[in-house]
Amino acid sequence: QKEVEQDPGPLSVPEGAIVSLNCTYSNSAFQYFMWYRQYSRKGPELLMYTYSSGNKEDGRFTAQVDKSSKYISLFIRDSQPSDSATYLCAMRPLADASGSRLTFGEGTQLTVNP
Amino acid sequence: EAQVTQNPRYLITVTGKKLTVTCSQNMNHEYMSWYRQDPGLGLRQIYYSMNVEVTDKGDVPEGYKVSRKEKRNFPLILESPSPNQTSLYFCASSLRPGGDSPLHFGNGTRLTVT
Repeated sequence: QKEVEQDPGPLSVPEGAIVSLNCTYSNSAFQYFMWYRQYSRKGPELLMYTYSSGNKEDGRFTAQVDKSSKYISLFIRDSQPSDSATYLCAMRPLADASGSRLTFGEGTQLTVNP
Repeated sequence: EAQVTQNPRYLITVTGKKLTVTCSQNMNHEYMSWYRQDPGLGLRQIYYSMNVEVTDKGDVPEGYKVSRKEKRNFPLILESPSPNQTSLYFCASSLRPGGDSPLHFGNGTRLTVT
């Protein structure tokens, strides 16, 4: 069983919709939670980063972490066609012998239609 | 411009023919890592390096080698490529291992082994 589960989609929404992307995980040692965005033929780029539980907001994006449920979410408000990409969740423990090793979800492919 | 540069972007080769994928970063980052990305499996770490001359195995190291002779370069070597190494490869770096230091990814190398 995978440590991080993410629905691969694809997810297609109209412009302006609120998008909810989610990941569940099984390793209770995970403390750092990140969302990466990957455009076609590009490498992933860091979108949001959260330490431990709680919410974090950055413009149209909100990241939520619920450690009690081992569940993280990314919300996109007023979605735009430029948000069309694959969104990857990633996480790692506080202390890890491998340093920055991230465990990634499979990624959710999002298309925002004009 | 701060970036991680991989070469080549696309590579088609035959089974058993040794190849090297280069990776270079201009951000003076200590930590560098290689990932492969496969459908249904997401991103998986191959090797990582905490600093010059310090490298270690990730989750899927079989069939790969790396070296870190200089801080900026971290080549990935396939001594005898096989078809199961057909994949999309990403090099990544961060200022330091662990903590909140985000990973910066290159734009990928798509490798096909026939």
